[in-house]
Amino acid sequence: QKEVEQDPGPLSVPEGAIVSLNCTYSNSAFQYFMWYRQYSRKGPELLMYTYSSGNKEDGRFTAQVDKSSKYISLFIRDSQPSDSATYLCATFTGGGNKLTFGTGTQLKVEL
Amino acid sequence: GAGVSQSPSNKVTEKGKDVELRCDPISGHTALYWYRQSLGQGLEFLIYFQGNSAPDKSGLPSDRFSAERTGGSVSTLTIQRTQQEDSAVYLCASSLSPGGIETQYFGPGTRLLVL
Repeated sequence: QKEVEQDPGPLSVPEGAIVSLNCTYSNSAFQYFMWYRQYSRKGPELLMYTYSSGNKEDGRFTAQVDKSSKYISLFIRDSQPSDSATYLCATFTGGGNKLTFGTGTQLKVEL
Repeated sequence: GAGVSQSPSNKVTEKGKDVELRCDPISGHTALYWYRQSLGQGLEFLIYFQGNSAPDKSGLPSDRFSAERTGGSVSTLTIQRTQQEDSAVYLCASSLSPGGIETQYFGPGTRLLVL
């Protein structure tokens, strides 16, 4: 079983929809939770991160962590075609240096 | 200046041949990471450098894989006697200092195809 599980999609939504992307993890030692966005044939770029449980908002993006259920979410409001990409969740313990990634969810926002 | 650069961007090789992949991190970044991205597998950590030393090589899948970093800058990932299962995108990232909370900036990757 992978330490971080993520539905690979693809997920297709109409422009303007609210998108919900999710991951689950198994290692309770994970403390930092990140979301990366990866466009086709590019490297991942960090969107946002949260520490421990709670919400964090940045523009149209909200990251949510529920440590009790080991559940990570990313919400995208008013989705745009430019949001079409693969979204990867990632975690790490805080004492180490390597990120543990989910497989990524491919999102397509259609006009 | 520039972001993380990797070369070549694409590499096609025959099974059994050796390949070298290069990563040029952001200037001043002391930490450098190699990941492998395979279809359906997500990003898998391979190795981490702090300066020129590699305190964590735990992700290297076999002894055919090795990496070095010189001058605290450029890194080379070498795969000897390539196998078809080595086909993947190899991504390099760098960060200002070690620790995952420090943003890791990724290069565009090298797409390796082993025939």
